[in-house]
Amino acid sequence: EVQLVESGGGLVQPGRSLRLSCVASGFTFDDYAMHWVRQAPGKGLEWVSSINWNSGIIGYAESVKGRFTISRDNAKNSLYLQMNSLRAEDTALYYCAKGIGMGRLGSFDYWGQGTLATVSS
Amino acid sequence: EIVLTQSPGTLSLSPGERVTLSCRASQSVNSNYLAWYQQKPGQAPRLLIYDLSTRATGTPDRFSGSGSGTDFTLTISRLEPEDFAVYYCQQYSRSPLTFGGGTTVEIK
Repeated sequence: EVQLVESGGGLVQPGRSLRLSCVASGFTFDDYAMHWVRQAPGKGLEWVSSINWNSGIIGYAESVKGRFTISRDNAKNSLYLQMNSLRAEDTALYYCAKGIGMGRLGSFDYWGQGTLATVSS
Repeated sequence: EIVLTQSPGTLSLSPGERVTLSCRASQSVNSNYLAWYQQKPGQAPRLLIYDLSTRATGTPDRFSGSGSGTDFTLTISRLEPEDFAVYYCQQYSRSPLTFGGGTTVEIK
């Protein structure tokens, strides 16, 4: 059974940092691209970042480029999102999602339950 | 950026009805790289359809995807009580990956 478990969310002041983690199980982690997707309270889905199977191809939404860094550790079956210079508009439930293939572009066939990041003074 | 516009915003329907949800793209979506997701309150999204018309594992055959170019449709042939939810389309033809704003299917 595929499982994705996110952690690392919390309440943080504007300008500070958070590091999100996602531990995967139930599939061969290094065979697939991985993604972060967020959902602000009461709003729709927004793609944040993607990383291909070997970290060779990475992409970011314009809204987070230069502030967020995606990474993965295939030995630990783990995905990360380092979020710096956080803003109020980054407040959202952050989902870890498994890509349907190896490449950075694709659909997301499994999702975690999300970790909530709240940016507020 | 490819902007996806979903319509209508909300549909009020009864169980047993046929549903057609629309997703229109601002530019052509190459190779039919379009997916549909279902999200229920308090739950993560669930992949229903990918590559335009391929049902994901576990997706009932009452769900079907179609379309081409810039106009895409998700059809539910006969609404079941568990189908009342929000539906999102997503394109992965080019970066940035984008989602539509969602269509809510509610009980009439």
